Amino acid sequence: DIQLTQSPSFLSASVGDRVTFTCRASQGIGSDLAWYQQSPGKVPKLLIYAASTLHSGVPSRFSGSGSGTEFTLTISSLQPEDFATYYCQQFNRYPLTFGGGTKVEI
Amino acid sequence: QVQLVQSGAEVKKPGASVKVSCRASGYTLASHDIHWVRQATGQGLEWLGWMTPDRGSSGSGLKLQGRVAMTTNTSINTAYMELSSLKSDDTAVYFCARVRCVGDDCFADSWGQGTLVTVSS
Repeated sequence: DIQLTQSPSFLSASVGDRVTFTCRASQGIGSDLAWYQQSPGKVPKLLIYAASTLHSGVPSRFSGSGSGTEFTLTISSLQPEDFATYYCQQFNRYPLTFGGGTKVEI
Repeated sequence: QVQLVQSGAEVKKPGASVKVSCRASGYTLASHDIHWVRQATGQGLEWLGWMTPDRGSSGSGLKLQGRVAMTTNTSINTAYMELSSLKSDDTAVYFCARVRCVGDDCFADSWGQGTLVTVSS
């Protein structure tokens, strides 16, 4: 199985900060990576797919990059509604896998 | 708009089975794969398996293989996930998600609201 390791697990930040977190794959997955945001008690929401393509309706302050085994998600200016947990998921091969998540806290 | 509506919370005893439904609206279920994901309280997301409704093909991770069955009834635009031989560590919120592919790029763009399954004696 392809393991996805997200770092850091927790990140403390303030409104307006630029934040970046990482998802590392145990083997190359091309660009077959998606990022989701999950607020407490809510359903995961798609942010980015194909490593860097912004999903429709997602604010432009979110961006993704990377390919192969290392990927990053960047929020250019953190907003109050962005305090949530972020997960990466690989779609390269079955079984699909998620990373352990990065929780962004105030 | 696209919506996935799941069945309500369930409480089951160890060894029993549970069947969760996921009704699609705003699109034809047969058009896209449905994946199932679960999340134990305070934990991360765990991918469980997939189903291609128009072909009836499905697959799952090794962890649940042999215990999980994914089916669809395309006439009522509904997908189902049945988990058997339940154990206490199957207690979680179960999500269905529509997976779309644009060329080779796939992603889960719509999710059900989640169904809490509690396994307790």
